[in-house]
Amino acid sequence: DAKTTQPPSMDCAEGRAANLPCNHSTISGNEYVYWYRQIHSQGPQYIIHGLKNNETNEMASLIITEDRKSSTLILPHATLRDTAVYYCIVRAPSGGYQKVTFGTGTKLQVIP
Amino acid sequence: SQTIHQWPATLVQPVGSPLSLECTVEGTSNPNLYWYRQAAGRGLQLLFYSIGIDQISSEVPQNLSASRPQDRQFILSSKKLLLSDSGFYLCAWTQGKGYGYTFGSGTRLTVV
Repeated sequence: DAKTTQPPSMDCAEGRAANLPCNHSTISGNEYVYWYRQIHSQGPQYIIHGLKNNETNEMASLIITEDRKSSTLILPHATLRDTAVYYCIVRAPSGGYQKVTFGTGTKLQVIP
Repeated sequence: SQTIHQWPATLVQPVGSPLSLECTVEGTSNPNLYWYRQAAGRGLQLLFYSIGIDQISSEVPQNLSASRPQDRQFILSSKKLLLSDSGFYLCAWTQGKGYGYTFGSGTRLTVV
């Protein structure tokens, strides 16, 4: 699996958009980009995933660059409850086992 | 719908004591199952994965072992806990194409 790199921490004002970047320069053609978040002392929660097109759901938007070497998770109107660690991973859509490494993610602090 | 159960939520154990953490998945069959550990302020470290009953692979040498006696049951064990075994343990499952990870709520283990 391709490795990802993320900034260790970010701050965002409440009500503003939070843009969390992720680099995955060695991503393979069939690997999806997934985003998860982990609120303190809980298991990571799935947010969104995509292959090459931009995606949007009720939680967030995912923007993937044309070369697929990086992506940005956008929380359009950040709230205090969005304070969490956000993980970006890449994974191929096969049914078998894949070794996926979750790095240390980006710790997002939403400030009132 | 699929659900994943992990227990206990917290556990305090003395050094040298045994450990058994259980994880069960409902609403699916033949899932890929994982055990992760998260030390304080660190990322998720993959410990074990399983693609089927009695099929366990270890990612890192350690004081722990895993077993899968049933299709939807995954157990993490130790015969004698070490202080370094303290951490937040997460069970997760995946299945099928394009599906990401679903994590349990985690067990916070403190070895004293």
